[in-house]
Amino acid sequence: AQSVAQPEDQVNVAEGNPLTVKCTYSVSGNPYLFWYVQYPNRGLQFLLKYITGDNLVKGSYGFEAEFNKSQTSFHLKKPSALVSDSALYFCAVRGGQGSGNTGKLIFGQGTTLQVKP
Amino acid sequence: GAGVSQTPSNKVTEKGKYVELRCDPISGHTALYWYRQSLGQGPEFLIYFQGTGAADDSGLPNDRFFAVRPEGSVSTLKIQRTERGDSAVYLCASSPGTSSGNTIYFGEGSWLTVV
Repeated sequence: AQSVAQPEDQVNVAEGNPLTVKCTYSVSGNPYLFWYVQYPNRGLQFLLKYITGDNLVKGSYGFEAEFNKSQTSFHLKKPSALVSDSALYFCAVRGGQGSGNTGKLIFGQGTTLQVKP
Repeated sequence: GAGVSQTPSNKVTEKGKYVELRCDPISGHTALYWYRQSLGQGPEFLIYFQGTGAADDSGLPNDRFFAVRPEGSVSTLKIQRTERGDSAVYLCASSPGTSSGNTIYFGEGSWLTVV
């Protein structure tokens, strides 16, 4: 079965400092990994995804994520945090060929990012 | 519009009543998904359609929940005999297909409150 773990309920960081939001996954076959952001009372917005190729993926709003197959991780990063980055972040996984489940995304529980001025 | 559209945005209903939630996907997207999100939780998969047919309905919690997509575009999620535990945000999403690499795009959600 597929699963995603986001070990931190909340991450606090000062504006201008680098940020990392952690994600680990479990899936059969090759993983397809996604990050979404959710602002208060809004739907989910796509940030970036890893399909194949370069382990460092760049996405919207200056975010990037690093795929690490040996550690089954896909941590979200940003070199310099902004107060406006404060939101709820979700990691999600989809199975690849051979997983028996290439359709639905499975989400983690979410991590609240708080960036303080 | 360009994005996934969901109506109503907010719905308050009495316990035991029937509710319908509508989703209009991005034009041309063949795959459509329903998720449910409770406060403080991640989105929980309910069902997804490829075209008109339900490809995976394993997430529907019980037979009070049903979804249709008769013409392969708009979808309706139907909840019978609503219970207070059904209160949540119901998120609809669509993608160009169900290939693993396709991005899934979400609507703003329908907030359901059962009183």
